[in-house]
Amino acid sequence: GAGVSQSPRYKVAKRGQDVALRCDPISGHVSLFWYQQALGQGPEFLTYFQNEAQLDKSGLPSDRFFAERPEGSVSTLKIQRTQQEDSAVYLCASSSSGGPYEQYFGPGTRLTVT
Amino acid sequence: AQRVTQPEKLLSVFKGAPVELKCNYSYSGSPELFWYVQYSRQRLQLLLRHISRESIKGFTADLNKGETSFHLKKPFAQEEDSAMYYCALSGRSGYSTLTFGKGTMLLVSP
Repeated sequence: GAGVSQSPRYKVAKRGQDVALRCDPISGHVSLFWYQQALGQGPEFLTYFQNEAQLDKSGLPSDRFFAERPEGSVSTLKIQRTQQEDSAVYLCASSSSGGPYEQYFGPGTRLTVT
Repeated sequence: AQRVTQPEKLLSVFKGAPVELKCNYSYSGSPELFWYVQYSRQRLQLLLRHISRESIKGFTADLNKGETSFHLKKPFAQEEDSAMYYCALSGRSGYSTLTFGKGTMLLVSP
């Protein structure tokens, strides 16, 4: 079956621009996670959704970062007024339950801010 | 605070040699430990988790609570094992996000 998909796969933004990154989880998966992976680092947690409810946004680095999942399926991560330090790969993962055992990752969106 | 340390950025071995990728963690409580792998041009995927005590693709990992370690081992490396390996942990309760190490690149030469 189809796995987690993300779009766009690559995004180049000029500093100060707003960007929106999309995640399509596996159908029926309740839980959705966003991670940020900077060059040479492991993924770092950003935020977690259970259905449409954002239960944890403790990892969002600033108020320029905003995520939503209005209908409990597709999720969008929005970054306003992008900065160079936002350059990273943004990973989305979904799970049929809240536990980490079954997290399935998407291919990621590589964001480059120039 | 929970933390995962992978001391080696790169591990280079010859085919058939034993492999050990090191992972140490700090966590106040009983964590769940995992190894994730990312092959070239592929997405991150779960390799194994300590709770299931399984061997995947010849790899094993034992949780050592005394040393707070979860090293990944394989007795005879294969060229197809070349990949980026990430150690990760989560708590046992609730939804539990993953905390990753920085990763170790394993290169297996013929």
